[in-house]
Amino acid sequence: GQQVMQIPQYQHVQEGEDFTTYCNSSTTLSNIQWYKQRPGGHPVFLIQLVKSGEVKKQKRLTFQFGEAKKNSSLHITATQTTDVGTYFCAGPLTQGGSEKLVFGKGTKLTVNP
Amino acid sequence: NAGVMQNPRHLVRRRGQEARLRCSPMKGHSHVYWYRQLPEEGLKFMVYLQKENIIDESGMPKERFSAEFPKEGPSILRIQQVVRGDSAAYFCASSSRASPMRYFGPGTRLLVL
Repeated sequence: GQQVMQIPQYQHVQEGEDFTTYCNSSTTLSNIQWYKQRPGGHPVFLIQLVKSGEVKKQKRLTFQFGEAKKNSSLHITATQTTDVGTYFCAGPLTQGGSEKLVFGKGTKLTVNP
Repeated sequence: NAGVMQNPRHLVRRRGQEARLRCSPMKGHSHVYWYRQLPEEGLKFMVYLQKENIIDESGMPKERFSAEFPKEGPSILRIQQVVRGDSAAYFCASSSRASPMRYFGPGTRLLVL
């Protein structure tokens, strides 16, 4: 079945360093979504990418969708302690007439102040 | 504008008891999804419901688990005869027909003793 894989599983950085997480799908995706889950919290939608090669920015966060629409990345510039959390990518899987989101296992980011 | 609501936030059950988890979707949303998350793991899709209909239950164990979304009232995820392996965080998410993004509730942390 469709798989969404993320690397790395864990990333520890010093505050001010950059951070990148990568997401790969076994199939071409119509779109990809990114979510952030703070420790003890729930996933919160960050962004959706739809177009091949699309790049979107949210302040220090840069999201990219690959040309083949099978991979994506999230880059955080100059991390802050508020960036701590687990970042998930998710891609839609249409099966039997219904669509469900398949989530990667996430990249857990810790930031040392 | 209330978001997705889940209750209880924490639930402790002994092996063999029943667990009932409730989810009220965001106002105007008619699509409800249930996910399970084990510690340090990603979000595993369980079931997708619309009012009075189960659309996709491919991620839900065949035994002991059931879900409903009645015409009136919240969506219910029911786990009968709980076992220790059922201990996890259960998140409900909702969406509108027009939008693919998921709005997650705060989750129910189930602990089976």
